[in-house]
Amino acid sequence: GQNIDQPTEMTATEGAIVQINCTYQTSGFNGLFWYQQHAGEAPTFLSYNVLDGLEEKGRFSSFLSRSKGYSYLLLKELQMKDSASYLCAVRDGLRYSTLTFGKGTMLLVSP
Amino acid sequence: GAVVSQHPSWVICKSGTSVKIECRSLDFQATTMFWYRQFPKQSLMLMATSNEGSKATYEQGVEKDKFLINHASLTLSTLTVTSAHPEDSSFYICSARPGIRIEQYFGPGTRLTVT
Repeated sequence: GQNIDQPTEMTATEGAIVQINCTYQTSGFNGLFWYQQHAGEAPTFLSYNVLDGLEEKGRFSSFLSRSKGYSYLLLKELQMKDSASYLCAVRDGLRYSTLTFGKGTMLLVSP
Repeated sequence: GAVVSQHPSWVICKSGTSVKIECRSLDFQATTMFWYRQFPKQSLMLMATSNEGSKATYEQGVEKDKFLINHASLTLSTLTVTSAHPEDSSFYICSARPGIRIEQYFGPGTRLTVT
């Protein structure tokens, strides 16, 4: 099975940098995804890590350490529109297609 | 690219009736589609995985006779909630995975309220 932990809520100020952590314990591992979800909307894909290290994509970066079962999503130059829930999801090593989602981290960006 | 639509976006039905939700991949062929359910302030819970032309694979605890899934083509999957009850009220989201891609693309979701 999969167990994925993320902080429930975080707050930050516009223009700042915030790091959202995700730890996982899985029976198999084949990649980790980060999705952004605004209230009442479907998740949108942000990043994918399968190898250790940092993946950078504009203002967003994602890091993975497989040995530690740890990932983080780094958001730079925060904007008000970044207020959303951020979901960490792990792809099962055996059931190749399926994702198991964490409960999400609600990020509130204030002026 | 990689747009997924869902219809309807919201529906209210009476207890005991059935509701069908459609999920379409608009600009790609989806070899695999997924159905999730999300309760308020909770994460997405996978209900079932469907591949075109074959029976869906349901997650443990999900009643396959209650949640009927049909993946009739590479661009369309449907979820029918049969004999709906108030506890079935939830946000239902589908996703689709293009054959050669890793990530899933999500539809906008359907808000189901059973009265």
